[in-house]
Amino acid sequence: AQTVTQSQPEMSVQEAETVTLSCTYDTSESDYYLFWYKQPPSRQMILVIRQEAYKQQNATENRFSVNFQKAAKSFSLKISDSQLGDAAMYFCAYKPGTYKYIFGTGTRLKVLA
Amino acid sequence: EPEVTQTPSHQVTQMGQEVILRCVPISNHLYFYWYRQILGQKVEFLVSFYNNEISEKSEIFDDQFSVERPDGSNFTLKIRSTKLEDSAMYFCASSRDREGFYGYTFGSGTRLTVV
Repeated sequence: AQTVTQSQPEMSVQEAETVTLSCTYDTSESDYYLFWYKQPPSRQMILVIRQEAYKQQNATENRFSVNFQKAAKSFSLKISDSQLGDAAMYFCAYKPGTYKYIFGTGTRLKVLA
Repeated sequence: EPEVTQTPSHQVTQMGQEVILRCVPISNHLYFYWYRQILGQKVEFLVSFYNNEISEKSEIFDDQFSVERPDGSNFTLKIRSTKLEDSAMYFCASSRDREGFYGYTFGSGTRLTVV
């Protein structure tokens, strides 16, 4: 079965510090996409970063970067220079070659001033 | 920035009643989706829709559910006879490509409360 596991229900980080959110997944597919979505209190899920499984290079988007370890089926998100606006629920998502996402249970990130 | 718009933001309904949740996807997107999130749980796929038909659906999407694109702009989810366990946040999303490489654009959700 294809599953996504986020083992950290909640994380806290000091403003301007760095935090890493963990995600592991289980699949027998070789080609797929991985995503991190952010869900602030406004509820709308916003795409943070994406990674294609066939690319070895880790994706980066400004202060957000991933550590993609395909053999270990691990896809962690690093947020550098954390800002108050980064506080949100973060969902890791796996997408095989079908239409649907498979989401993890989410990690609530608190940013402390 | 184009948005996916969902209405209403909150709907309360009696058990057994029919509800219609409405969504206006981004105009040049071709693929449409409904997901739901029961309070405190993960986001779950319900259905995808392309070219006026269902492309894929989950086990959750049983005969009580239906989707429609009635007028080329709206995309609706109908629940015929609501149950208590249908209470959840329902998210509409759209994408411009099947693979969703560019990610989906999600709406802000409709919170459905069945009493």
